[in-house]
Amino acid sequence: NAGVTQTPKFRILKIGQSMTLQCTQDMNHNYMYWYRQDPGMGLKLIYYSVGAGITDKGEVPNGYNVSRSTTEDFPLRLELAAPSQTSVYFCASSYSTSGRTPGELFFGEGSRLTVL
Amino acid sequence: TQLLEQSPQFLSIQEGENLTVYCNSSSVFSSLQWYRQEPGEGPVLLVTVVTGGEVKKLKRLTFQFGDARKDSSLHITAAQPGDTGLYLCAGAFNAGNNRKLIWGLGTSLAVNP
Repeated sequence: NAGVTQTPKFRILKIGQSMTLQCTQDMNHNYMYWYRQDPGMGLKLIYYSVGAGITDKGEVPNGYNVSRSTTEDFPLRLELAAPSQTSVYFCASSYSTSGRTPGELFFGEGSRLTVL
Repeated sequence: TQLLEQSPQFLSIQEGENLTVYCNSSSVFSSLQWYRQEPGEGPVLLVTVVTGGEVKKLKRLTFQFGDARKDSSLHITAAQPGDTGLYLCAGAFNAGNNRKLIWGLGTSLAVNP
């Protein structure tokens, strides 16, 4: 029962390097999200997707890009890494309908990124 | 701008004590969720409350949604070390055709044996 799988779990980058954080879910969820979590700052939404081929910016999208070519995968691309992008990144998915609740968010275990 | 304030930010108690964590906003939410996050892991959903005044119980945890759907509380009875973690509330609201979540900053709970 995999749920949401993120890779890598840890990564150190040099300033200016690029990388992709991978996220895949096997629950056929329509919504997928990328959050970053910094100490004392809570969860900040970077990008989200309501279905394959549709993505939208969250609160803190600068310096990141996403794509959603399939229902299962939602990779997060960091271009020109900066120290301010040092954080723990969480991918999540949910099944959301037109009801009042967003559905339960299922999170991956997180990817800890350090930019030096 | 919708904001969710959680209090207290930190809480350290002894095993067996009771505690209450609060989640407050000036905005009305269509629903509110509570999550618990343990170190090195992602948040896990505890409960979703939808109706104003609703009370839900999960073993020793009691969740209440305010009558006006602007606030919520989490009460833990006889806390145990296994309750240690970061408790996050998330409020849902409709923005155009999409449903959005906003998150509180969390309450970090430590239960000492």
